[in-house]
Amino acid sequence: DIVMTQSPLSLPVTPGEPASISCRSSQSLLHRDGYNYLDWYLQKPGQSPQFLIYLGSNRASGVPDRFSGSGSGTEFTLKISRVEAEDVGVYYCMQGLQAPFTFGQGTRLEIK
Amino acid sequence: EVQLVQSGGGLVQPGGSLRLSCAASGFTFSNYWMHWVRQVPGKGLVWVSHIKSDGSYSNYADSVKGRFTISRDNAKNTLYLQMNSLRTEDTAVYYCAGDLIAAAGTHYDYWGQGTQITVSS
Repeated sequence: DIVMTQSPLSLPVTPGEPASISCRSSQSLLHRDGYNYLDWYLQKPGQSPQFLIYLGSNRASGVPDRFSGSGSGTEFTLKISRVEAEDVGVYYCMQGLQAPFTFGQGTRLEIK
Repeated sequence: EVQLVQSGGGLVQPGGSLRLSCAASGFTFSNYWMHWVRQVPGKGLVWVSHIKSDGSYSNYADSVKGRFTISRDNAKNTLYLQMNSLRTEDTAVYYCAGDLIAAAGTHYDYWGQGTQITVSS
């Protein structure tokens, strides 16, 4: 199984400041088609997860452009350019390359 | 509007059975792979199972293989998860999720509201 490791696990951020979350996979997520099979999800308190970023760097429909994803192979990053109060929750990376599809442990973003 | 509405959760004794349902609307259900993902309260997300659009292929996490069965009724736009021989470690919130985005790989762009399953005597 592909192991996904996120850091940090807790991220206190002042509103208006940037935030960055790292995700590392135990094997490359770069497919021969040139895409990295890495997604990002946000689970707000008391809600189902929501789709943020797919194939490493593509924002899902309706996701604000302050969210961006980057990286390739085994190292990926989710960046929020200016954190807003509504961004609070747990962020998960997930590999969609092969079953079992595995998630990182989650990074809890909180407002200072 | 795409909607995934779940039903069928609850409390069950160890060794018991339960069936979850996920009613889909707002999209052509028969065109898309569907998944079940679970989450122990306060913990992370774990993929459980998925099924191909026409129901011809399915796969399972090792932890549920041989005990859980995923199925779908495309005429009723509904996804199911039959859970047998339930264990206390199956206690979790179960989400159905749809892979509707036209992109390579597996993605969960739509999620149900979640259903709590508690296995306890």
